[in-house]
Amino acid sequence: QLQLQESGPGLVKPSETLSLTCTVSSGSISSNSYYWGWIRQPPGKGLEWIGSIYYRGSSSYNPSLKSRVTISVDTSNNQFSLDLTSVTAADTAVYYCARQGYIYVNFDSWGQGTLVTVSS
Amino acid sequence: DIQMTQSPSSLSASVGDRVTITCRASQSISNYLNWYQQKPGKVPELLMYAASSLQSGVPSRFSGSGSGTDFTLTISSLQPEDFATYYCQQSYSSPYSFGQGTQLEIK
Repeated sequence: QLQLQESGPGLVKPSETLSLTCTVSSGSISSNSYYWGWIRQPPGKGLEWIGSIYYRGSSSYNPSLKSRVTISVDTSNNQFSLDLTSVTAADTAVYYCARQGYIYVNFDSWGQGTLVTVSS
Repeated sequence: DIQMTQSPSSLSASVGDRVTITCRASQSISNYLNWYQQKPGKVPELLMYAASSLQSGVPSRFSGSGSGTDFTLTISSLQPEDFATYYCQQSYSSPYSFGQGTQLEIK
């Protein structure tokens, strides 16, 4: 069964860059049928799509974050990554990576999530 | 951007009840509507996609309907494990937005 696992620092200082990696196992990131996405959830709040990437490198981002977000893919290691620059306390959230269906853009498999706190 | 609005925001119901949650899009999204369930402290799980297609492994007491701007998620007979927060998500156009969630609580 496909597994996704987020990794990265749990604490980031304001104005710095939040960097997370999602490792995909028991499945290939180089699939024609899926994109790979990042979604976040501030404590006690709802879900926000951050952006997604295809294994060939094409990506799309939420305009609300676009100027600060970069998502990249590393097919040799079956990983994709998120960089979010110039973070503030408003970026404190649980960050999930997920597999995204190509046709229906549904997130059908999720990582366990990682809490990233922005604080000095 | 497409805004997704769920109603109600919270709902109390009893085991065995039939429950309906509504999701409305700010513009037509055809049937590009997905539903997720999230239990406290857990990861969201896909329940329905394309408005009415049941994700593999999801019990048949869950059903979805709608097209255009108005959609519903129905649980035919609530089970104890169904008490959770439910989110709709439009997949018609980027940015792929979620509703604010409906918290389903035990009466």
